[in-house]
Amino acid sequence: DTAVSQTPKYLVTQMGNDKSIKCEQNLGHDTMYWYKQDSKKFLKIMFSYNNKELIINETVPNRFSPKSPDKAHLNLHINSLELGDSAVYFCASSLRLSLDTQYFGPGTRLTVL
Amino acid sequence: AQSVTQLGSHVSVSEGALVLLRCNYSSSVPPYLFWYVQYPNQGLQLLLKYTTGATLVKGINGFEAEFKKSETSFHLTKPSAHMSDAAEYFCAVSKGGGSQGNLIFGKGTKLSVKP
Repeated sequence: DTAVSQTPKYLVTQMGNDKSIKCEQNLGHDTMYWYKQDSKKFLKIMFSYNNKELIINETVPNRFSPKSPDKAHLNLHINSLELGDSAVYFCASSLRLSLDTQYFGPGTRLTVL
Repeated sequence: AQSVTQLGSHVSVSEGALVLLRCNYSSSVPPYLFWYVQYPNQGLQLLLKYTTGATLVKGINGFEAEFKKSETSFHLTKPSAHMSDAAEYFCAVSKGGGSQGNLIFGKGTKLSVKP
């Protein structure tokens, strides 16, 4: 069983479209995260959620809206996609909102044309 | 504010040689430090972490790292490289005190292993 899963694995879309990426963890963790990895492999946190509550929002444009329907899921919705949104998006989870090990999903490669 | 600098975006070693990947950090509070590995087309996997206590930390796959406060360093080493170690390695720092779990990553070092 995959601990942290993301769908889709690849996403190719046109500028201006709206898209969603889904993340699920079956580890029973309280905290989930979204990271963006750019073309130079630089990883930056976007959001973190603890018990379905938003904790961190790292100066991410309003076009990005995370939604956590329950503790096991954290979805990322992106409106009006731009070329600069092309990246690999990683979901992660940890047991608590602290220094626990973060477990990463396999990533979603988003390409905006 | 915390930051991480990884010296060398690409390191190449021969199989069986010592692996040394360098990481320096900047933190205004006692840092918690991590090394993650990313294999091609995969997510990140924790290699090891330092929170408190013993400054020499052992991780998976024979890797270890030593926290040196005086040098603000947390270099990753492995005595003998294996072909399967070829991957991207990321050093990260987080705030102490159990707050937020916000990881700040370095820009990564790509390790190549030659036969």
